[in-house]
Amino acid sequence: EDQVTQSPEALRLQEGESSSLNCSYTVSGLRGLFWYRQDPGKGPEFLFTLYSAGEEKEKERLKATLTKKESFLHITAPKPEDSATYLCAVSNAGNMLTFGGGTRLMVKP
Amino acid sequence: DTGVSQDPRHKITKRGQNVTFRCDPISEHNRLYWYRQTLGQGPEFLTYFQNEAQLEKSRLLSDRFSAERPKGSFSTLEIQRTEQGDSAMYLCASSFVSTGELFFGEGSRLTVL
Repeated sequence: EDQVTQSPEALRLQEGESSSLNCSYTVSGLRGLFWYRQDPGKGPEFLFTLYSAGEEKEKERLKATLTKKESFLHITAPKPEDSATYLCAVSNAGNMLTFGGGTRLMVKP
Repeated sequence: DTGVSQDPRHKITKRGQNVTFRCDPISEHNRLYWYRQTLGQGPEFLTYFQNEAQLEKSRLLSDRFSAERPKGSFSTLEIQRTEQGDSAMYLCASSFVSTGELFFGEGSRLTVL
């Protein structure tokens, strides 16, 4: 069974304090690893897809990386508007996503 | 706006009542998914359709849960004889068959009293 574990569960940062979120996974036949952002009371919003180890994607202050066992979401010089829950998910051959529990990020000004 | 839309956004019901949620996917997408999300947890897969065919339904939480997608357009998720444990956010998403990039709606929040 596919499994995704995210850490930490919650992270508090000061504005400008860079950090990383971790996503460890086990999946039979990885088709892709996905990062989503979710604001309170809203549906998840797609950020990145990574397909193979060594791949990196960037968007504004976010950078996602992938190894054979885990992915990292690096946040550089975060701003309060980056506060959200960040979800990691993996897809298998059936293209069904299995999500982790998320990391709740709070960035204080 | 041509994103995924869900209705109603909020539903409060009494235990034992039936509820139905509707999802209108992005029109070009041929896959439609239902997920459930409880507070502090990630979304949990329930079922999905490719066009009008329901390809996976073993993850539906019990036989009180059912989903339909008539004519491969909108979909409905019905919960019969609701229980307090059914209280959650029900998320719909759509995608192309060829990618795993799901586009989610805003969700339908169910509260069972």
